[in-house]
Amino acid sequence: GESVGLHLPTLSVQEGDNSIINCAYSNSASDYFIWYKQESGKGPQFIIDIRSNMDKRQGQRVTVLLNKTVKHLSLQIAATQPGDSAVYFCAENRSPGGSGGGADGLTFGKGTHLIIQP
Amino acid sequence: EAGVAQSPRYKIIEKRQSVAFWCNPISGHATLYWYQQILGQGPKLLIQFQNNGVVDDSQLPKDRFSAERLKGVDSTLKIQPAKLEDSAVYLCASSLSRANIQYFGAGTRLSVL
Repeated sequence: GESVGLHLPTLSVQEGDNSIINCAYSNSASDYFIWYKQESGKGPQFIIDIRSNMDKRQGQRVTVLLNKTVKHLSLQIAATQPGDSAVYFCAENRSPGGSGGGADGLTFGKGTHLIIQP
Repeated sequence: EAGVAQSPRYKIIEKRQSVAFWCNPISGHATLYWYQQILGQGPKLLIQFQNNGVVDDSQLPKDRFSAERLKGVDSTLKIQPAKLEDSAVYLCASSLSRANIQYFGAGTRLSVL
């Protein structure tokens, strides 16, 4: 089965509230995690990433939390806006890439559809 | 800065026909990826190039899919012959080098009838 997955297919939140999207992964060797946002008819758009030597990283209105003990990743979006409506994917990379060999292709979960209620 | 360009945006073909997709990565990006995204699922890696060499094509159905990046810039992905289950969005992504952020194009939506 897939090593990266999301717990909920759909998440509905009120505009202005905070959103939390969760993701579980199974490969303890994964060392790089990324959140992408995909709007209808568009390609995935990079939101934020985190490496396994960190447990938290903040961006503009977004925070990613990594719990390696339980292999759990979450994306928090503050003050959710209508423009945040999209499908959110977590993805993992199991290889550090570079000159060490191996591939760098991302493994994606199935996605969570975030719906913003007015 | 221009993003990853893909064409065509949409393609409808009948099964057993052939089809080709084109990708122009972000200028200067050495690494290029092709992903397949079936409706309702996350993208799945098909092939990864580093300049004009293949890094990983382990998930590419080589009996019908082929890809090339001859000059290390543009890339084409071909399906011959197409099957119904190939209906999907084909996404191209590029990164500055390996282990950097991957930026995606808008994709080509393929419908096989």
